[in-house]
Order: sequence, then C-alpha cells, then structure tokens
Amino acid sequence: DAGVTQSPTHLIKTRGQQVTLRCSPKSGHDTVSWYQQALGQGPQFIFQYYEEEERQRGNFPDRFSGHQFPNYSSELNVNALLLGDSALYLCASSLALTPGGEQYFGPGTRLTVT
Amino acid sequence: AQSVTQLDSHVSVSEGTPVLLRCNYSSSYSPSLFWYVQHPNKGLQLLLKYTSAATLVKGINGFEAEFKKSETSFHLTKPSAHMSDAAEYFCVVRSYGNNRLAFGKGNQVVVIP
Repeated sequence: DAGVTQSPTHLIKTRGQQVTLRCSPKSGHDTVSWYQQALGQGPQFIFQYYEEEERQRGNFPDRFSGHQFPNYSSELNVNALLLGDSALYLCASSLALTPGGEQYFGPGTRLTVT
Repeated sequence: AQSVTQLDSHVSVSEGTPVLLRCNYSSSYSPSLFWYVQHPNKGLQLLLKYTSAATLVKGINGFEAEFKKSETSFHLTKPSAHMSDAAEYFCVVRSYGNNRLAFGKGNQVVVIP
C-alpha cells in the first residue's frame, strides 16, 4: 500500500519563475492538503482540496493555486516566485469522512528560489 | 481560531532519561490534538492523537500524552529516551469541523549518549 508520494524531491528556481509540485494521496484517500514549512518553522496550511474543489485556504496570496484531479492527485502551483517561497512543501492526504481527521504526510518537495 | 504553543525550541536529554515536551493549545471548539515527529530528510510521522476519547493517549515508540482541558495542555512524555528519538517534534491542533491543522513551532530533541 503506497503512502503519500510527492514529486519532484528537490527543485531550484529563479525569482519570477513559476513552479508546479505534484502529490499522489495514500490509496483510498480523497482529500489533499498542502503545507509550507520554512526552515526552522512548523508547517503552515496553504489549502485543502476535496472533490476537485478548494475547500479551505490559509493565509497565502493568490500566487499560490492548486488543482485536484479525478484520481484525487493534486498539484500546487506558485507563480512569480519570491526568495521567501523557498521552503519544504508538504502534501498530506486524508479521508473526508474519517473521524479524528488524521492526515498522512508525504516526504515533501524542497524548493529553493535563487 | 486555533493555535499551539511549544516552549523550549531545543531540548537536550541524556539517553535513558525521561523526555517531556510541553504543548499548550488554543481552540474555539472541541479540538483534536496530535503529536508528529520529523526525522531529518523524512516526512512527518504521526506519534499519537487525541480525539475526545481517553485523556491519556499512548502512541508509537513508547510515547504518550495527556490531554488536560482545564490547563489547555497536551504534553508529550517518554520514560526513557533512546538515541533514535533525536528528531523534531510538532504539537498540532485541529478544531472540530475544521480540516486544517495548526502546527506549533516544534521541539528539536537532541539525545546525548
């Protein structure tokens, strides 16, 4: 049973560029959440997708957008990259109807903006 | 609004001695509480969770935590530290009806041989 997978593992981009990160949820899960973890900080919630729609959003600008596909996989897009966007981006999956709301995390994508 | 406070960003313990990581939370509604561990270059792993059942929660690798509503606390303990416990630990809160997780800033645990 594959857990949450993310690609790529590492990515280096230049300021102003755009980036797309990908996530495949744990088998059987239908909800995907994205988090940004800056160096030395706890993860911060970006947004959550369920039934191909953004359901909740954290305090992130519109440069951050996402998508969920019919197979429940998801993409995170960041436009007009800033140096401050350098971070570990974590994807987490869960089952919408599961009591307790446990989320399973992928290994993350390390984004470096130069 | 929901938030978590973790004091002592860096914690050093000797191998074989107890581990205590403190967590205080703020939540508008009945919360679910979690402790996650993050080893270097690895993803977050769930240690244990509280979801309104027993207030003393046992997790993996000998860790446990006690939910105290009156103190709004959810401290993590382990009787005897092992070298493999060296990692970063995050206390996390999720309010009822809200799917987003709010993380604390984390405790970096160092285990001294």
